[in-house]
Amino acid sequence: QQPVQSPQAVILREGEDAVINCSSSKALYSVHWYRQKHGEAPIFLMILLKGGEQKGHDKISASFNEKKQQSSLYLTASQLSYSGTYFCGTEPSSSNTGKLIFGQGTTLQVKP
Amino acid sequence: DTAVSQTPKYLVTQMGNDKSIKCEQNLGHDTMYWYKQDSKKFLKIMFSYNNKELIINETVPNRFSPKSPDKAHLNLHINSLELGDSAVYFCASSPWGASTDTQYFGPGTRLTVL
Repeated sequence: QQPVQSPQAVILREGEDAVINCSSSKALYSVHWYRQKHGEAPIFLMILLKGGEQKGHDKISASFNEKKQQSSLYLTASQLSYSGTYFCGTEPSSSNTGKLIFGQGTTLQVKP
Repeated sequence: DTAVSQTPKYLVTQMGNDKSIKCEQNLGHDTMYWYKQDSKKFLKIMFSYNNKELIINETVPNRFSPKSPDKAHLNLHINSLELGDSAVYFCASSPWGASTDTQYFGPGTRLTVL
């Protein structure tokens, strides 16, 4: 079952914050976040494991709410370089094969 | 020093033809994957291999056949190409194929079937 991301698209000014959500109807073991710029490969951002942990580096962080089977990606004080499409990839609890089911993506555009 | 490389980068071909895409990783990883990204950017896993053994085999037409001659290489052969096969195909690799692994993607191969 494909996770659902929201919003589908967001436009920000430099310095503004954004939150991207990823929800699944299945129990999850891990959530992976990637960013893809137009015409390029997806680039890994971070992994969150069940247990409700929160991670972050620089001004990008994420949380995983195991009860809600939802992960949120937080982009703080956005920069032009944050523009791109963000994907969450989820792996069900029973898997452990590295089989990621990706959401439909959230397009983020940061304007000067 | 490219980590995951794919050839060719672009592939334009006629319906009915057979084509192959090659992937190589120099990260020393055990697991490699093929993904298909359609025109709506939907990224879907097709196959994975761990040390030459097929692990993930999604519901994909049997015209698609992956081959892994060794753990650093994973090729994708497509027979009797159809219009709907047009997409960007990404190869990826990860250390062991575990849930906690980071997957590293190659630059992609844009396949256009006319």
